[in-house]
Amino acid sequence: GAVVSQHPSRVICKSGTSVKIECRSLDFQATTMFWYRQFPKKSLMLMATSNEGSKATYEQGVEKDKFLINHASLTLSTLTVTSAHPEDSSFYICSARGRRAEQFFGPGTRLTVL
Amino acid sequence: KNEVEQSPQNLTAQEGEFITINCSYSVGISALHWLQQHPGGGIVSLFMLSSGKKKHGRLIATINIQEKHSSLHITASHPRDSAVYICAVLPGGGADGLTFGKGTHLIIQP
Repeated sequence: GAVVSQHPSRVICKSGTSVKIECRSLDFQATTMFWYRQFPKKSLMLMATSNEGSKATYEQGVEKDKFLINHASLTLSTLTVTSAHPEDSSFYICSARGRRAEQFFGPGTRLTVL
Repeated sequence: KNEVEQSPQNLTAQEGEFITINCSYSVGISALHWLQQHPGGGIVSLFMLSSGKKKHGRLIATINIQEKHSSLHITASHPRDSAVYICAVLPGGGADGLTFGKGTHLIIQP
């Protein structure tokens, strides 16, 4: 199947700093990328949907000014957690979808905010 | 919004047993995914279904659109199958992200 990478896989940062997570589709063009968040022992929750070249659509309750999403090309989307706080500590996963409905998941990024 | 229910939440079985995990959803969908999440967190897509049945190795997935129900079966289970199995549905139209079940934590004991 298609490959989606995420970088970094783990990041530890101090409270108040910003963290950028990259999601790349390696062997296909992703017209749509999705960002999910998973709290410990909880289900994944969709945060936002991004289409290449347009603004992301955020789910209800997700602060767009805190979680900045940029989908600058058909193979790259970035999620920036701005002014991170300990409650932002979570597992962030992206997925990418090409022309078909199948989604391919990145390996995830574990964010720990001290 | 679609409600996705999985059962059981936790399942412990002996190596070699036949495993069934169930998923029910409340609203019509365009596709259903079965995902596998290992302890490190990474997610692998096992199947995407819109009708019928698919088989890959020891894994079988079925879906009944009328009953809004899907099952994931594992034959001849092995300890390496231990993982969280997640059902996720894609709404009709395919424009939105997936809605996930809470997952089934499977442990296969040798």
